[in-house]
Amino acid sequence: DGGITQSPKYLFRKEGQNVTLSCEQNLNHDAMYWYRQDPGQGLRLIYYSQIVNDFQKGDIAEGYSVSREKKESFPLTVTSAQKNPTAFYLCASRAISDTYEEQYFGPGTRLTVT
Amino acid sequence: GENVEQHPSTLSVQEGDSAVIKCTYSDSASNYFPWYKQELGKRPQLIIDIRSNVGEKKDQRIAVTLNKTAKHFSLHITETQPEDSAVYFCAASIAPGGYQKVTFGTGTKLQVIP
Repeated sequence: DGGITQSPKYLFRKEGQNVTLSCEQNLNHDAMYWYRQDPGQGLRLIYYSQIVNDFQKGDIAEGYSVSREKKESFPLTVTSAQKNPTAFYLCASRAISDTYEEQYFGPGTRLTVT
Repeated sequence: GENVEQHPSTLSVQEGDSAVIKCTYSDSASNYFPWYKQELGKRPQLIIDIRSNVGEKKDQRIAVTLNKTAKHFSLHITETQPEDSAVYFCAASIAPGGYQKVTFGTGTKLQVIP
């Protein structure tokens, strides 16, 4: 199913709690990305990583943190500092090459914070 | 940073008619422009892409055109079918310092009426 998985599909948390979303890929891709999708706002980049132990902030990184300890894994933590965390979160990965640029997306995690 | 604007936000066409979605970008350094299709409840998937050294690319019923001078690109779908109904995202990609950061448009919800 595309080689990139996210778990869980649905996640519910109470306000003030940190929560970690999982993203795993077996495509041997170097780059990985986290996006947030809200109705009418498209896909907004939270964090991205090109190699292990290195990552860059995207456009809306405040209130989020990531790690990249393994090539296959890029977990996203939504902290209590994120003011409006309820959203659909998509992880993506991409091979690094001169000719191959497609991003492969995971199935997404819908997070609801009440 | 890069800014991608996409229009229209919603589009309804009769089956068999053509559909056109337009995007503009702000950073002249962008050199890769993918289009993704997201069906309801599913992950975005690449349907066509174009590089800055090409003006037009076609794949069966879909085509993309790029005007670098005006910094805009468009998706054309001919002979639309009900299964074309989905949300379509354009994107522009820059590779600063070796990282590829992709900026997405806000999406166009296409409805094909049988």
